[in-house]
Amino acid sequence: NAGVTQTPKFQVLKTGQSMTLQCAQDMNHEYMSWYRQDPGMGLRLIHYSVGAGITDQGEVPNGYNVSRSTTEDFPLRLLSAAPSQTSVYFCASSYGRGLYGYTFGSGTRLTVV
Amino acid sequence: DQQVKQNSPSLSVQEGRISILNCDYTNSMFDYFLWYKKYPAEGPTFLISISSIKDKNEDGRFTVFLNKSAKHLSLHIVPSQPGDSAVYFCAASGGGGGADGLTFGKGTHLIIQP
Repeated sequence: NAGVTQTPKFQVLKTGQSMTLQCAQDMNHEYMSWYRQDPGMGLRLIHYSVGAGITDQGEVPNGYNVSRSTTEDFPLRLLSAAPSQTSVYFCASSYGRGLYGYTFGSGTRLTVV
Repeated sequence: DQQVKQNSPSLSVQEGRISILNCDYTNSMFDYFLWYKKYPAEGPTFLISISSIKDKNEDGRFTVFLNKSAKHLSLHIVPSQPGDSAVYFCAASGGGGGADGLTFGKGTHLIIQP
């Protein structure tokens, strides 16, 4: 049981490049979400999904795209990387909202130069 | 505007004593509150949660108290152990607007001193 797996762990991009951060979970969770954490800040919600085929925007969605074709996978796409997207990205999954508590991956550290 | 606030960036507590971490919120529509613990270079780990219809929830050494009228919650750790040294995040869900994710505070760095 791997939990939530994020790849890659580290990535350096040039401004304007695109890439996809991968997230997979093996717990059959319906709820999945992406967060970014910047220095001195809490985690901020980028996009979330409540099931396959259903996605919606969070607090800071600009510059990011998501899709959810399967229950297991929830990739995050950076369309044209900018230095402001330098951050640590966390993917999380849960049975549902509320008391269950999300399970987080170990994060992807992204640097845009 | 920050809807979940943790006003103490750091807290130092002696091993064996009680650690009390505080959190305030502004959005009265939040219906669940959660605490997470985070070590460097790792993802947050879920600790304990509480529904807005409760005022206390306990799990081993961890107890969360909720004061809805004051829009305040706290996490008590008794007794504090060296392994408790980490950053603790308060988070809330609900909040209206339809978003089904968590709103986090900025975190409190707890340091347990021997």
